[in-house]
Amino acid sequence: DAGVTQSPTHLIKTRGQQVTLRCSPKSGHDTVSWYQQALGQGPQFIFQYYEEEERQRGNFPDRFSGHQFPNYSSELNVNALLLGDSALYLCASSFFGTPSYNEQFFGPGTRLTVL
Amino acid sequence: KNEVEQSPQNLTAQEGEFITINCSYSVGISALHWLQQHPGGGIVSLFMLSSGKKKHGRLIATINIQEKHSSLHITASHPRDSAVYICAVRPLRQGAQKLVFGQGTRLTINP
Repeated sequence: DAGVTQSPTHLIKTRGQQVTLRCSPKSGHDTVSWYQQALGQGPQFIFQYYEEEERQRGNFPDRFSGHQFPNYSSELNVNALLLGDSALYLCASSFFGTPSYNEQFFGPGTRLTVL
Repeated sequence: KNEVEQSPQNLTAQEGEFITINCSYSVGISALHWLQQHPGGGIVSLFMLSSGKKKHGRLIATINIQEKHSSLHITASHPRDSAVYICAVRPLRQGAQKLVFGQGTRLTINP
């Protein structure tokens, strides 16, 4: 079991560009959550995908969008990048349908630097 | 005020010391998680609690739902325990699937 995987591990972009981050959930999981972690801070919830739909969203602008594919993998897209978007982006997967859906497994993260 | 507060923010101790990290939260929750994050970013789930106490090796986690407080204890601490420890809660608000995180406690264990 490969666990949660994310790609790429590191990314450097310039202001105004667009970026796509990818996440593959742990085998058997059907729900993907995305978090942004600024340096020295705890992660902040961006949104969660289940059944290929955005189910819940945190306090992030529309520049942040996502997608979930039939194989449960997910993408996070950020448009019109700002310097403040520089952060570690974490993906977490879980299984929605049982009480154990509470438990989320995290990927290693993608570190995005915006210059 | 953050919904989840951790203390201390930074903790330095000598190898072998007993470590306690505290987490207080202000909302009703269905579960509380303790997570470990090493340099480089990867997060590992240590415990998920909804009541009582859990133990895994040298790690012990407790939660008091009435007082909205949880503690993570490390016995016989070791330099490899050095990491950021994060408390996260799952709010009871309807439809709340997300985790709300504390700011983390940076633990350094010196040999």
